[in-house]
Amino acid sequence: AQSVTQLGSHVSVSEGALVLLRCNYSSSVPPYLFWYVQYPNQGLQLLLKYTSAATLVKGINGFEAEFKKSETSFHLTKPSAHMSDAAEYFCAVNSWNDMRFGAGTRLTVKP
Amino acid sequence: DTGVSQDPRHKITKRGQNVTFRCDPISEHNRLYWYRQTLGQGPEFLTYFQNEAQLEKSRLLSDRFSAERPKGSFSTLEIQRTEQGDSAMYLCASSSKSGTGEKDTEAFFGQGTRLTVV
Repeated sequence: AQSVTQLGSHVSVSEGALVLLRCNYSSSVPPYLFWYVQYPNQGLQLLLKYTSAATLVKGINGFEAEFKKSETSFHLTKPSAHMSDAAEYFCAVNSWNDMRFGAGTRLTVKP
Repeated sequence: DTGVSQDPRHKITKRGQNVTFRCDPISEHNRLYWYRQTLGQGPEFLTYFQNEAQLEKSRLLSDRFSAERPKGSFSTLEIQRTEQGDSAMYLCASSSKSGTGEKDTEAFFGQGTRLTVV
């Protein structure tokens, strides 16, 4: 079985501050891992993905994530938050044949 | 190719009516997923197809729900005798397998169909 846990349903940061969104996964086989972003009334857009190559993955909009097998984690970070980063972020795992999502973390950016 | 498209974008229906949604995936993708998303939650897996074969169904998919992908291209999701609890965003996504592996490289999502049952 595969599953994803996102710690913190809401994260609030100030503009320019570090963004850290946490994701832990459970998988019986080496997984692929993904972060998606969803803006209001829109579909999900891929931010970045880990597919067993480099453990530090860089994505769009300055985001990056590091795959840590020992911690079963795939946390999403961005050094400096921008107002436009305010959105819902979803971590996803693909171990076998289908993709499963976490419950999401809503990121709020304060001016 | 313009990506995954879903139709309609919004649907309001009375309780007890049947509704059908359509999803057109990216043309070369052999995998197609249906998810349901309610407010404040992540996408919940409903079912997925590899080509025309429906390979897995979630226990969330009651017998009132049926999905088809008759020719391995577009898919339909039908909900019979709708209930207020069916109100949600229904998301479709498509992907392709990573070479000889079984895992997806990424899933591309449509804009979703928002269903409101009144």
